[in-house]
Amino acid sequence: DGGITQSPKYLFRKEGQNVTLSCEQNLNHDAMYWYRQDPGQGLRLIYYSQIVNDFQKGDIAEGYSVSREKKESFPLTVTSAQKNPTAFYLCASRRTAPGEPQHFGDGTRLSIL
Amino acid sequence: AQRVTQPEKLLSVFKGAPVELKCNYSYSGSPELFWYVQYSRQRLQLLLRHISRESIKGFTADLNKGETSFHLKKPFAQEEDSAMYYCALRSFQKLVFGTGTRLLVSP
Repeated sequence: DGGITQSPKYLFRKEGQNVTLSCEQNLNHDAMYWYRQDPGQGLRLIYYSQIVNDFQKGDIAEGYSVSREKKESFPLTVTSAQKNPTAFYLCASRRTAPGEPQHFGDGTRLSIL
Repeated sequence: AQRVTQPEKLLSVFKGAPVELKCNYSYSGSPELFWYVQYSRQRLQLLLRHISRESIKGFTADLNKGETSFHLKKPFAQEEDSAMYYCALRSFQKLVFGTGTRLLVSP
């Protein structure tokens, strides 16, 4: 799905730093999602947003924050409070109609230096 | 609680053999289920969804409410089917994913 762009592809963080992962979509989707993908654990939901200026915590929101100021954008900040941030992060979006699937970006791999 | 279980981490078959990737779910309402696939170096993409009752790349999946299952099947596996497969359940506005099954199809 070329309509969802995540940047950067690779990101390195020093201990104690906050970093922000970008997710932009031009599909006119209302809902956007952030997942964390770890080997053997599948995808776990961090945060999601169904409408501009509103978002909800997922299953593993601690140490993360998001904003949804524009429909097209849903940036994720990994704060220093996240104790194990090294992972692959996936952004997704979807139309909020019954049966509509989520569409995913290419992901960002975050590593701690 | 909503849960998706994929019991096999790895499934290895030979080309031309039948494939069945298992998926069981627990959900109190009417389930909405999906299979996603992630090929090497590609993004996660939708393979099929139960409401469409479609066949994509020769794969099918039937929702069995009695057994709470949504197994993915293909009668004759191809090498290009090698990938990571995730079963997912929609719970309210969220997707709950299984831990995934890696399918390896050998020549």
